[in-house]
Amino acid sequence: QKEVEQNSGPLSVPEGAIASLNCTYSDRGSQSFFWYRQYSGKSPELIMFIYSNGDKEDGRFTAQLNKASQYVSLLIRDSQPSDSATYLCAVKGYSSASKIIFGSGTRLSIRP
Amino acid sequence: DAGVIQSPRHEVTEMGQEVTLRCKPISGHNSLFWYRQTMMRGLELLIYFNNNVPIDDSGMPEDRFSAKMPNASFSTLKIQPSEPRDSAVYFCASSPSGGAADTQYFGPGTRLTVL
Repeated sequence: QKEVEQNSGPLSVPEGAIASLNCTYSDRGSQSFFWYRQYSGKSPELIMFIYSNGDKEDGRFTAQLNKASQYVSLLIRDSQPSDSATYLCAVKGYSSASKIIFGSGTRLSIRP
Repeated sequence: DAGVIQSPRHEVTEMGQEVTLRCKPISGHNSLFWYRQTMMRGLELLIYFNNNVPIDDSGMPEDRFSAKMPNASFSTLKIQPSEPRDSAVYFCASSPSGGAADTQYFGPGTRLTVL
């Protein structure tokens, strides 16, 4: 079992709709959760991070965390063609020496 | 402010040659990470440093790979000898702290092709 699992996609969503990206992780001690966006040929860039159970909203993006279910998701409202990219889920343990583990990413395509 | 700087951006070499990738982290960041990304394996952490000291090198694939961080503003990743299976994009990232709240800032990457 991979430590951080994501559906590779591609996930195709019509423009203006809500895109829902999901991620599960195996380490119950994980404390920090990140979503990165990576455009083709570019480097990953951080979109959001979340530490506490529940929802965290930032503009059109909402991260949701459920530690009991070991599940984290990213919702993108009013999807735009510019949101088409690969989204990487990343998880980090509690200690400062813990490394961040990345999922393999979900490819999202927003169709006009 | 300048972001993470990597050089070269592209490297094409022949099997058996030595390859050296370079990274300059964001000034003031005290953690530095080297990643490798391929279609098959995704983004893999190779090694990371905190305050110039290697903390975890368990991701380094084999002895052919070595990394150094002689000072806070420079790091190298060396592959000797290189093999075709080392072809990948290598990213360097830096972070302002080693705590749980760290956010990593990635460089543009070095695309390595080993023929």
